[in-house]
Amino acid sequence: DTGVSQDPRHKITKRGQNVTFRCDPISEHNRLYWYRQTLGQGPEFLTYFQNEAQLEKSRLLSDRFSAERPKGSFSTLEIQRTEQGDSAMYLCASSLVTGNTIYFGEGSWLTVV
Amino acid sequence: AQRVTQPEKLLSVFKGAPVELKCNYSYSGSPELFWYVQYSRQRLQLLLRHISRESIKGFTADLNKGETSFHLKKPFAQEEDSAMYYCALSAPNAGKSTFGDGTTLTVKP
Repeated sequence: DTGVSQDPRHKITKRGQNVTFRCDPISEHNRLYWYRQTLGQGPEFLTYFQNEAQLEKSRLLSDRFSAERPKGSFSTLEIQRTEQGDSAMYLCASSLVTGNTIYFGEGSWLTVV
Repeated sequence: AQRVTQPEKLLSVFKGAPVELKCNYSYSGSPELFWYVQYSRQRLQLLLRHISRESIKGFTADLNKGETSFHLKKPFAQEEDSAMYYCALSAPNAGKSTFGDGTTLTVKP
């Protein structure tokens, strides 16, 4: 297992378009997290899943954002009607339920032009 | 509300000098505290967590509940320690972690 993987690594899109990011967690991890990071700031929590259940969502996650983890394995994060303010690195991470050590992916860079 | 403050954006020391990266937090209760590190062109990874009370790569961090601080220290910095360091906290067994904005450490030869 090579760790948490994310796809695509980079995405450039026009304002108003929809984008989707995929995350494959470490196989035995039942928790999966999404964070957003902009330049000069630390990761900001967006949402997390335990198996297929979405247990917490940040207020940062507006109605244009939706995340799913349909079978408790991989997850997708979709952003509808993208805005320039959505430009950021979207980080996925995973962990076991017991213990809070989370393992990050390399992130997906989004640029909205 | 959970909050983590890292007052120094940039920190530069010479090789062999002691280094301390500051972290202050606000949280009602007893949080779990972490230091994460991101080396150049690598993913963010856990460096240490306070409940482990361990030393990783020569780094230690002491939780001071009175001052609500969790500073990261190393007595003799090495060039390979140059990286971005993030302090983070979470409620026990919670999903959400709150990160500081990071400190970029540069160790000069």
